[in-house]
Amino acid sequence: GQQLNQSPQSMFIQEGEDVSMNCTSSSIFNTWLWYKQDPGEGPVLLIALYKAGELTSNGRLTAQFGITRKDSFLNISASIPSDVGIYFCAGKSRSNYQLIWGAGTKLIIKP
Amino acid sequence: NAGVTQTPKFQVLKTGQSMTLQCAQDMNHEYMSWYRQDPGMGLRLIHYSVGAGITDQGEVPNGYNVSRSTTEDFPLRLLSAAPSQTSVYFCASIDPGRSDWAFFGQGTRLTVV
Repeated sequence: GQQLNQSPQSMFIQEGEDVSMNCTSSSIFNTWLWYKQDPGEGPVLLIALYKAGELTSNGRLTAQFGITRKDSFLNISASIPSDVGIYFCAGKSRSNYQLIWGAGTKLIIKP
Repeated sequence: NAGVTQTPKFQVLKTGQSMTLQCAQDMNHEYMSWYRQDPGMGLRLIHYSVGAGITDQGEVPNGYNVSRSTTEDFPLRLLSAAPSQTSVYFCASIDPGRSDWAFFGQGTRLTVV
């Protein structure tokens, strides 16, 4: 079935550093979503993207819908301790209710 | 707003036991789904429903049953629990006609011994 490649799998960063992660797909999507999961909780939506080339920000987070419609990027600027968690990308095509999920990027901030 | 409510939050089962994980949403979403989350594997779709009375299999349906008698509720049944079903289970509802967002419950951490 469809798969999303999300990278990196994990990141160890210093507080204050910028973070970048991305997802690529073998298929075209009409919607890209980025979620964050805190320990012991369900994923929570961070940013939703609906148009190729779209660049959307949510505070220190910025996500882009790739021009090819097969990729998306999430950047976090000036990371802080509460940014730790697992970040998931998800894509959806117009013809299907189902979301296709990346395997997640685990963000760890070095003390 | 309650959103998506899952119960229980934690459960320990013995191999061969059966149980039902409950999921309810109050957003009137037609689409609901169950996922399992295992380390390093992201979210894998077990079953989903596009409306009351309609269910279908996802990526990993074996060992699980679902039903959808109302728009609000979408229970997941484990027929005969196996250690391989030790996982964290998430229920989600989606409003595909408006935003495509998936709203998740807090999860059920299941251990099968």
